Amino acid sequence: GAGVSQSPRYKVAKRGQDVALRCDPISGHVSLFWYQQALGQGPEFLTYFQNEAQLDKSGLPSDRFFAERPEGSVSTLKIQRTQQEDSAVYLCASSLFGGPTDTQYFGPGTRLTVL
Amino acid sequence: GESVGLHLPTLSVQEGDNSIINCAYSNSASDYFIWYKQESGKGPQFIIDIRSNMDKRQGQRVTVLLNKTVKHLSLQIAATQPGDSAVYFCAMGDTGNQFYFGTGTSLTVIP
Repeated sequence: GAGVSQSPRYKVAKRGQDVALRCDPISGHVSLFWYQQALGQGPEFLTYFQNEAQLDKSGLPSDRFFAERPEGSVSTLKIQRTQQEDSAVYLCASSLFGGPTDTQYFGPGTRLTVL
Repeated sequence: GESVGLHLPTLSVQEGDNSIINCAYSNSASDYFIWYKQESGKGPQFIIDIRSNMDKRQGQRVTVLLNKTVKHLSLQIAATQPGDSAVYFCAMGDTGNQFYFGTGTSLTVIP
């Protein structure tokens, strides 16, 4: 079946602009994760949803970052007033149930460049 | 906090040789370990996983070894092929829901 998809694949924003990144998880997957990956680094956790409930947002770096999953499927990560340090690849992952031993499957990521 | 580290940032091997990628971790409470492969411009791709009640698990051409005593994880790739060239990440999950990733090892296969 189809894997995790993300759009857009590339986004260039001017500093101060708002951006919205979309994630379509694997159909039927309950849990959805957002990670941020800086160049040359491993992904770092941002936030986690179980269905429509955002259960953990401890990794969001500032209140400019906001994520939602209103119907428990598609999720959007929004970054307001983008800064240069927000430049990174934003990865979305989904898992069937969630939890510490459930495999997370990743999308291709959205590369955000803030000028 | 969590700590997942890799011993070597880069690794070059001849095609056909075996590759070993190592990973150290600090959290003894971790229950689940995963190896991901990430090619340029793509998201991490699941390779193999192992739970803390095991010390070895084999897949197709890949083997993961877990040594909980010294908190060490390794990925062995047999008969390495050019298509194996990528960055490899170890990741682990504990009592929470997030995975913690290492910084990655870049594997280059020399034809």
